[in-house]
Amino acid sequence: SQQGEEDPQALSIQEGENATMNCSYKTSINNLQWYRQNSGRGLVHLILIRSNEREKHSGRLRVTLDTSKKSSSLLITASRAADTASYFCATVYISSGSARQLTFGSGTQLTVLP
Amino acid sequence: GAVVSQHPSWVICKSGTSVKIECRSLDFQATTMFWYRQFPKQSLMLMATSNEGSKATYEQGVEKDKFLINHASLTLSTLTVTSAHPEDSSFYICSAKREYYNEQFFGPGTRLTVL
Repeated sequence: SQQGEEDPQALSIQEGENATMNCSYKTSINNLQWYRQNSGRGLVHLILIRSNEREKHSGRLRVTLDTSKKSSSLLITASRAADTASYFCATVYISSGSARQLTFGSGTQLTVLP
Repeated sequence: GAVVSQHPSWVICKSGTSVKIECRSLDFQATTMFWYRQFPKQSLMLMATSNEGSKATYEQGVEKDKFLINHASLTLSTLTVTSAHPEDSSFYICSAKREYYNEQFFGPGTRLTVL
C-alpha cells in the first residue's frame, strides 16, 4: 500500500495554542494536499503544496514540505474550538499519471479544548 | 463554486438489496470522478476512478461486479452497491475533478448501513 502515515494519531490542545501535524509518504509526488473532515462529513480542501515548493501559508495554516525526507507538516496557529476535526494529508504520486489520484494518510484527530 | 453533492446522505437497507448513490458536480463539468470508502475512524480508501463515458478503473481488491460505477455525463456519477451485506456498511464519499486542474472537490458523503 502506498498510504502515508500521519502523526500524531490524536492531538488535544487548549484554544489559542498551535497544533502541528506531520505526514510521511512513500514515493515521489507531484503535490501534497491537506484536508479537513468534521465528524461524519465530507472533506474540505485546505491547502496544496507542489513538489518544488518548501513552504506555503494560508491564513492560520502553514504547510511545509521536505521531499528529501518525504514528509510534510501542517501547523495551525492560534487554534480555535472550531478547528476540532480530523486532518488528512493526501499525495498525488507521479506514477498516478493523468488521473491524479489522491492517496490519503491515516489522519490526525485534533481536539481543541475551549 | 465547485460544489459536489451526494444523494442520499444516508441510507439503511436490508441485506441482499442494492443501493444506488449519486454524485453530482453542481457548477462545473467533472471529467473525472472518484469513489472512496471510509470506515469509522479510518482514512479514505480509493475504490475506483471513473472518467466520463468510459469504464471505471477499480483499485485492487475492489469487486467491480459488486460496486457498479456509471459516469454517464460530465456532472453525474453513480455507485451501486449490489446485494449489499452488513460488511458493506461504510461511509462512501465521491469527489470530482476538472480536466487539467489538480484539486478534487468532495461530496458530503453517504452513510450506508446494511442490516
